[in-house]
Amino acid sequence: NAGVTQTPKFQVLKTGQSMTLQCAQDMNHEYMSWYRQDPGMGLRLIHYSVGAGITDQGEVPNGYNVSRSTTEDFPLRLLSAAPSQTSVYFCASSREQGPGANVLTFGAGSRLTVL
Amino acid sequence: AQTVTQSQPEMSVQEAETVTLSCTYDTSESDYYLFWYKQPPSRQMILVIRQEAYKQQNATENRFSVNFQKAAKSFSLKISDSQLGDAAMYFCAFYQTGANNLFFGTGTRLTVIP
Repeated sequence: NAGVTQTPKFQVLKTGQSMTLQCAQDMNHEYMSWYRQDPGMGLRLIHYSVGAGITDQGEVPNGYNVSRSTTEDFPLRLLSAAPSQTSVYFCASSREQGPGANVLTFGAGSRLTVL
Repeated sequence: AQTVTQSQPEMSVQEAETVTLSCTYDTSESDYYLFWYKQPPSRQMILVIRQEAYKQQNATENRFSVNFQKAAKSFSLKISDSQLGDAAMYFCAFYQTGANNLFFGTGTRLTVIP
């Protein structure tokens, strides 16, 4: 199994551009989420989904949009990129709602730079 | 909101020695989980160990063990017989049962000296 696959691994954007970070998992996980990792701040939850058609906001949702049309895919859209969105982004999934008993599986991360 | 504090930004250990990484958390809940994740230079987040709050016994995974002090809200990670491959960022994380967020600490960078 591939696990959680994120693309692209690296991206450079100009301020105001839009883009989509792709995330796909082949483990039939119901729960999927996006985190951002910034120096000195750990990982913070952006958006999450507990199943196809269901999404909700996390701790830092502003400037990001998500959708969940299938169980496998959970793309993260940056609507109008800003330098403050320069970060490393992680997609993660787990078998059931919530990452408690069902441990999160992380993708390899996507490094985004906004100039 | 729950907070997770890792007070050691950097730690170092001699190869084959033992090192302990500290983590404290703040919660008023009784049903939760605690995790240690390892992030090597490859950037991949790897689960090291997990502890359920209702279990009094400290979790152990090979050379990795925790000291879970529920009353003190402390969750430290002990790495025994340190190896060069243990060099990484280590993140402590907290999950409250029924929630949808995993709260992370700011991380401790571990260097292993040959």
